[in-house]
Amino acid sequence: DQQVKQNSPSLSVQEGRISILNCDYTNSMFDYFLWYKKYPAEGPTFLISISSIKDKNEDGRFTVFLNKSAKHLSLHIVPSQPGDSAVYFCAASLTSNSNSGYALNFGKGTSLLVTP
Amino acid sequence: NAGVTQTPKFRVLKTGQSMTLLCAQDMNHEYMYWYRQDPGMGLRLIHYSVGEGTTAKGEVPDGYNVSRLKKQNFLLGLESAAPSQTSVYFCASARASLYSNQPQHFGDGTRLSIL
Repeated sequence: DQQVKQNSPSLSVQEGRISILNCDYTNSMFDYFLWYKKYPAEGPTFLISISSIKDKNEDGRFTVFLNKSAKHLSLHIVPSQPGDSAVYFCAASLTSNSNSGYALNFGKGTSLLVTP
Repeated sequence: NAGVTQTPKFRVLKTGQSMTLLCAQDMNHEYMYWYRQDPGMGLRLIHYSVGEGTTAKGEVPDGYNVSRLKKQNFLLGLESAAPSQTSVYFCASARASLYSNQPQHFGDGTRLSIL
């Protein structure tokens, strides 16, 4: 059973506007969350992360929000640019279990298209 | 600045054949991982290693074996390939930390087709 869910397979946004990508998780033990970006024929690249002790983390145009009570996180991209068009994966892990190598549980991804 | 390198990039196998996928990282990372990605799916963990000489099973380990004889290399083996193993395989590595996760760094993937 998938523990990390991205219910929107795709999203289209105009250049300059805000892109909001959503992610839900079912395992309340998860305490570290990451977003990865993936272009075709390339591996995922790390974008931004957030620990469960925070509710917001910002890095330039990218902000991740965490709502632990709702088991929900979102990635905001402002302003969106055509180069942001990619598949975005949400991932979660447990920092308490170093023996698991902090293995990641991935969502299915959301394909973002930013149009000029 | 190679990072994580996967070899080969593409391969076509016949059912029943065996092969080994190689992953090499030059970042001196302790942790290494093998994932597979199927259409419409996220990445699923096959096996992982928290250090040289150690390996462990992930979410979907059946039909695969791994070895980590050297810190920088993590090998994924298919002993008898099956069409269900047609997928894109990603290797990743991460620095070990006692106190927090460190982001995983991914290779560009190996596209494997089993006929």
